[in-house]
Amino acid sequence: EAEVAQSPRYKITEKSQAVAFWCDPISGHATLYWYRQILGQGPELLVQFQDESVVDDSQLPKDRFSAERLKGVDSTLKIQPAELGDSAMYLCASSLDGYGYTFGSGTRLTVV
Amino acid sequence: AQTVTQSQPEMSVQEAETVTLSCTYDTSENNYYLFWYKQPPSRQMILVIRQEAYKQQNATENRFSVNFQKAAKSFSLKISDSQLGDTAMYFCAPQGAQKLVFGQGTRLTINP
Repeated sequence: EAEVAQSPRYKITEKSQAVAFWCDPISGHATLYWYRQILGQGPELLVQFQDESVVDDSQLPKDRFSAERLKGVDSTLKIQPAELGDSAMYLCASSLDGYGYTFGSGTRLTVV
Repeated sequence: AQTVTQSQPEMSVQEAETVTLSCTYDTSENNYYLFWYKQPPSRQMILVIRQEAYKQQNATENRFSVNFQKAAKSFSLKISDSQLGDTAMYFCAPQGAQKLVFGQGTRLTINP
């Protein structure tokens, strides 16, 4: 069964450092999403891509977060500099038709 | 903007019992989808069931079924013959304009 790949699974970083997460969606899925999930809460959308274009990044803290999907396939989410409040699970999902997402296993970030 | 309310932060039932998780939502869209996702302790987000808003018939997937009341904007999940493996966080998520919005979740524990 096709999966959404994410790496790393876990990341511990010191505040003010830079950190990056990688996501490889299911082959052929044009739509890719990055969500942030704080412990005990539901995921919140950070950014949505359609192919290589950003469709929605209204909730992305652009002063420190950036996301790219240069060739419309895999994607990278970066935080620089990381803050203590960024500690969370970062989930990537992809969709073929925009309805029904497949999620990756996520990257758990701890900022110390 | 879509909003989602899951009024039961936690629920606990005995194995083999039936349990219903409630969800209400608000949306201005006419065509949308509704999803229930399950997130076990492993943190992988797994699709449980999906409902198209234009369909009156309630969706069913093995032991999982929904009660969709479009006018009331209510979308509850019923789990029959509950199993220990059903222990997880459950998220209600309406989707319109290709954006999935999650509720705060219900933590469901199935006791042996």
